[in-house]
This record gives sequence, structure tokens and C-alpha cells, in this order.
Amino acid sequence: GQNIDQPTEMTATEGAIVQINCTYQTSGFNGLFWYQQHAGEAPTFLSYNVLDGLEEKGRFSSFLSRSKGYSYLLLKELQMKDSASYLCAPANYGQNFVFGPGTRLSVLP
Amino acid sequence: DGGITQSPKYLFRKEGQNVTLSCEQNLNHDAMYWYRQDPGQGLRLIYYSQIVNDFQKGDIAEGYSVSREKKESFPLTVTSAQKNPTAFYLCASSTRTGSNTGELFFGEGSRLTVL
Repeated sequence: GQNIDQPTEMTATEGAIVQINCTYQTSGFNGLFWYQQHAGEAPTFLSYNVLDGLEEKGRFSSFLSRSKGYSYLLLKELQMKDSASYLCAPANYGQNFVFGPGTRLSVLP
Repeated sequence: DGGITQSPKYLFRKEGQNVTLSCEQNLNHDAMYWYRQDPGQGLRLIYYSQIVNDFQKGDIAEGYSVSREKKESFPLTVTSAQKNPTAFYLCASSTRTGSNTGELFFGEGSRLTVL
């Protein structure tokens, strides 16, 4: 089985930096995905890490440590539109995507 | 344009009725998935299929059934055995290339309400 943990809610101020953590335990690990989901909408892909280290993509970066079962999503220069849920999803070789509970981020002016 | 189409977008059902949610993709993806999402909650996996004519139960398969007769289609039936079916249902697909895992592409979702 899989065990995925994320903080339930986070609040940050417009223009700030926020880090959303994800810890996981899974067999046959084959990379970790981050998705963004606005209320009432489908999730959209943000990043995929399969090797250890930091992947940067504009204002968003994602980090993975396979040995520690740990990942984080870093959002810089926060904007109001970044208010959403952020979902962590470890993938395995069985290609069974299981999502974490999601972190609801509120960006305040 | 390639993508995943779910229908209907909104559906109302009386208690005791079965209902089928449609999911069609033209991305030529091998793997397809169904998730359920309750208000303020994360996504929970119902069923997934890695290849035609084969599918596996996810974490919450009880009260649901699926079929995968064609690569493009993965319909989900919510049966009367599902005690609390009101939820947002999301279908997704992904590529399967050797040992690489492709990202998930989602449909827009179907919102089911039981009256």
C-alpha cells in the first residue's frame, strides 16, 4: 500500500514564498508528481521528479529525496491565483497513481 | 484537439438507481483511471486499467464497476450498492512507455448528486 502525508492547509501572503511538504511510503517508486487543483476543477500537472534534487520551472520548483521519501513544492512570488489545492502523487511501476490528501493554500493580499 | 471527455458534467440520480459515467480519450493512452473526490478532500482511486480488457480495483471500488472494451473508453457505473455516491468523479489517462510513468491527464469531471 501507500502512505502519503501533506499539511491540510497553509496560508501565505501575496509576493511571498511558500513550501508545501509531502512525505510518502510506497513500493516500486517511480517518481513523484505534483498537481494543482482549483476549487471545482480538474487537477492540472505541475511537475514530475524521478531523480533526487530540485527541478525548477518558472515560479514553481519541486524537490525530491528518494532515500527519505520526501518531496516539496516551492512557490515563489505568490499570486492570488495560486490559491488552490496542491496534490502530491507518488507513482509506482504498477502505474497506480494514488494521491495525497492535498494541501489547501490560501494566498492573502 | 486531443483530450479526455467526460459526460455528463452534472447528473442527478434517485436512490437505488444505477448510473453510468462516460470517459473517452483520444490521446492513445494505454492507462485510464477513475477517482472520486468529496468536498474538501483529496482524490481517491476507484478503479484503473493499464490495458484493454483488464482493470484493477483501487482503494474504494465497492459499489462501482467498470469495463475496458476499447482503448479509448473507460465507463464507470455507480451501482445502488454504493451507499454514499454523491461526489465529484474524475477520469484520467496516462501513457505507459516501458518503465516510464507518464503524467496524468484529467477530464473535466462529472458531478453526481443523489436525491
